[in-house]
Amino acid sequence: ETGVTQSPTHLIKTRGQQVTLRCSSQSGHNTVSWYQQALGQGPQFIFQYYREEENGRGNFPPRFSGLQFPNYSSELNVNALELDDSALYLCASRGQDYGYTFGSGTRLTVV
Amino acid sequence: TQLLEQSPQFLSIQEGENLTVYCNSSSVFSSLQWYRQEPGEGPVLLVTVVTGGEVKKLKRLTFQFGDARKDSSLHITAAQPGDTGLYLCAGAIPGGGADGLTFGKGTHLIIQP
Repeated sequence: ETGVTQSPTHLIKTRGQQVTLRCSSQSGHNTVSWYQQALGQGPQFIFQYYREEENGRGNFPPRFSGLQFPNYSSELNVNALELDDSALYLCASRGQDYGYTFGSGTRLTVV
Repeated sequence: TQLLEQSPQFLSIQEGENLTVYCNSSSVFSSLQWYRQEPGEGPVLLVTVVTGGEVKKLKRLTFQFGDARKDSSLHITAAQPGDTGLYLCAGAIPGGGADGLTFGKGTHLIIQP
């Protein structure tokens, strides 16, 4: 098992810019989901991909979008960044036992 | 409105003491999971409970899923400094496999030596 890896680990962007975050899923996991975790809060579900198709979405605006690739790696794209987008962004892949394996996250700061 | 309420929000106790943290909801979950998260890291899965009334033990940790599948508890016996962290409960809504997990805000646990 290689686990879930995310890149970059830290990122600073300016309000209005666009950002792409990347995630490599755990081997054998074909479902990947993204979460936003603000300081002092639990993670909030953004969306989920299964076999390259988005099959679930939380309460996030369309400027949050994603992709999943044939090798099950994934991207999260955020357009028109706002200050409130500053958070830890977590990628998680799911196996057969309901449990999710999370990456260490990308800490995004919008200034 | 927070779908999953965790209590207490903060807990600081001495090494060797016992503690229980709670996760409550008005909604029914098809499964409920407990995670532990350390600063700068992602959550790490501790356990998944699926059946109402289920009890699972993981060394000094005991997890219970309520009979109605709306609540859960985590009991730690003889807490150790290594147990320090943020404990998160997360539920999967029935039929909502594509809706991801709903997390509580977590319990910040500090075990003092």
